[in-house]
Amino acid sequence: NAGVMQNPRHLVRRRGQEARLRCSPMKGHSHVYWYRQLPEEGLKFMVYLQKENIIDESGMPKERFSAEFPKEGPSILRIQQVVRGDSAAYFCASSSDRGEDYGYTFGSGTRLTVV
Amino acid sequence: SQKIEQNSEALNIQEGKTATLTCNYTNYSPAYLQWYRQDPGRGPVFLLLIRENEKEKRKERLKVTFDTTLKQSLFHITASQPADSATYLCAPGRSGYALNFGKGTSLLVTP
Repeated sequence: NAGVMQNPRHLVRRRGQEARLRCSPMKGHSHVYWYRQLPEEGLKFMVYLQKENIIDESGMPKERFSAEFPKEGPSILRIQQVVRGDSAAYFCASSSDRGEDYGYTFGSGTRLTVV
Repeated sequence: SQKIEQNSEALNIQEGKTATLTCNYTNYSPAYLQWYRQDPGRGPVFLLLIRENEKEKRKERLKVTFDTTLKQSLFHITASQPADSATYLCAPGRSGYALNFGKGTSLLVTP
């Protein structure tokens, strides 16, 4: 079991470009969560998805950011027209329906740098 | 809105001592609280869960307490080792909702 796979590990984008971050949840997990972390800052919740549905997107900026978790394939966090302030580590986590019992399994993150 | 506070200052302790980390929360009534460990450049790793009806939970050298009246959880690492050096995150939660995390407390265990 490979755990939660995120790719790419590092992503460099110029201002105005699009960034696509991918997350394959752990086998058997149907809940996916995206978090953002800045240096010396905590994990900030962005969005919670469950196969094909967005459950909670209250932490995601209304503009430029979108997320999906299709029936087939990985979850995608998409950032359009990136700005320098989007530079951060983006972590994906997954859980089973028993997430409160067994916790979240996190990926190693994607480090986005906007130049 | 929900607020989660953890010791902002790093905790430095000597090997073999007990490390105690604090997590306080406000404007929230969690049904459980989870603790995670995060190493530099890595994603957090789940350590322990304690429910609102449990006062204390143990796992090997780890002990967690949960006081819903004080709205506080304490996380203890006994007989600490340099390998325990990491940042520890708390996350109070409720079923059906995504977790929000505290900023974490950095622990450094020196030989």
